Amino acid sequence: DVKVTQSSRYLVKRTGEKVFLECVQDMDHENMFWYRQDPGLGLRLIYFSYDVKMKEKGDIPEGYSVSREKKERFSLILESASTNQTSMYLCASNIAGVADTQYFGPGTRLTVL
Amino acid sequence: GQQLNQSPQSMFIQEGEDVSMNCTSSSIFNTWLWYKQDPGEGPVLLIALYKAGELTSNGRLTAQFGITRKDSFLNISASIPSDVGIYFCAGQLRNTPLVFGKGTRLSVIA
Repeated sequence: DVKVTQSSRYLVKRTGEKVFLECVQDMDHENMFWYRQDPGLGLRLIYFSYDVKMKEKGDIPEGYSVSREKKERFSLILESASTNQTSMYLCASNIAGVADTQYFGPGTRLTVL
Repeated sequence: GQQLNQSPQSMFIQEGEDVSMNCTSSSIFNTWLWYKQDPGEGPVLLIALYKAGELTSNGRLTAQFGITRKDSFLNISASIPSDVGIYFCAGQLRNTPLVFGKGTRLSVIA
C-alpha cells in the first residue's frame, strides 16, 4: 500500500519560530511536492523536487525553503513563521512523468500565533 | 502561477441527485485528473484521463477529457452522503507539476 506520511497532523507555533515540516514516502518516487491549501484558493505549489538535493520554486515560495537530502524525505522549512503562514500543508510524491501516480499525505494543519 | 477555472465553487444537493462539475483552462494539457478530499485528509485520485475525447468511469463517477484539451468535467450519479468533500481537477503537460483548480465543495443532504 502506497504511503506518504507527514510528521504532524496538527502544529501550533509562535511568530518568529523556525518550523520544520517533514514528509516521507515509501514508494521510491523521484518527485516530491509541497502545497498549501487555504479556503477558496485551492492547492498552491510552494516547492518541488525532482531528485535528491534538487529543488525548484513553485508558485508561492516566499517565506519557505526546502531540503531533500534523501530520496524518500522532503522537508519544508519556515525560517521565521508568520501568522499569514497559518494553513494546511500537503506533501505529495509521484513517479517522474506519470501524473496518475501522485499521492498526497494526510496534511499538517499549522497555526502560527 | 496558473490555476484552472473550476465550477461551481460549492454545491448543496439532495441525496440521490446527479452532480456535474467542470474545469477549464487557457492552456492545453496532456493529462487531466480528478481528486477527492475528505475532511481532514489529503486528496485521493478518482479518475485519470490521457486522451482528448476520452470518457472514463469509476463506479458512479464519469469524467471526460475535452476535445480541445482545455477542459474536463466530472459527473457523479445518484449521490450518497459519503460523496461529501472537496473535488479538485488537475491538469498536467509533460513532466511538469500538476496545475489544480480551486475545488468544488460538495454537500449532500440526506
